[in-house]
Amino acid sequence: QKEVEQNSGPLSVPEGAIASLNCTYSDRVSQSFFWYRQYSGKSPELIMSIYSNGDKEDGRFTAQLNKASQYVSLLIRDSQPSDSATYLCAVNIPNSGYALNFGKGTSLLVTP
Amino acid sequence: ETGVTQTPRHLVMGMTNKKSLKCEQHLGHNAMYWYKQSAKKPLELMFVYNFKEQTENNSVPSRFSPECPNSSHLFLHLHTLQPEDSALYLCASSQDLRGRDEQYFGPGTRLTVT
Repeated sequence: QKEVEQNSGPLSVPEGAIASLNCTYSDRVSQSFFWYRQYSGKSPELIMSIYSNGDKEDGRFTAQLNKASQYVSLLIRDSQPSDSATYLCAVNIPNSGYALNFGKGTSLLVTP
Repeated sequence: ETGVTQTPRHLVMGMTNKKSLKCEQHLGHNAMYWYKQSAKKPLELMFVYNFKEQTENNSVPSRFSPECPNSSHLFLHLHTLQPEDSALYLCASSQDLRGRDEQYFGPGTRLTVT
């Protein structure tokens, strides 16, 4: 079973700081990568997708992908208490192009 | 959140009961999914449908029975469940089954089996 690994946290950052969330994956041929945010008791909400090496920015969020290192990260600039949630990394399973492997998620706490 | 709806939001059932979970997507997507989310475990893919046809059954016990009458509706029929089946059941949809198609989740049904 190919895996997606995330540090469970909690990762605690002060309000206004940059939060850095990391994810590694084991299947070298994976091509599509997604970050979801999940508030306690709620369902996952798609934040960003990334498919090519490098950075992709959307507002306060930046996704970074390094396929050679099998590493994908999510940076949250100017972190707000409302960003406190669990962040899930998902990686497509190449043999079935659509299916996703999810990590267990990293819990982020932004303190005022 | 209104793009994919699920009912009921909460369900408590005994091990001998039969119940059904319903999912409806209003996004014009062709693919729909059932996932299970248990405490301390990653999301587990259960079933995948594309244009009403099942394309994936991820070794799910037969006490879970999916039904997809059309591309907008998906059901999960439950019978003789076990307490370990208690979890959050999530429905998702995507435009198609291409690797880059983003999946959007419904609010989930919190199931408790007593």
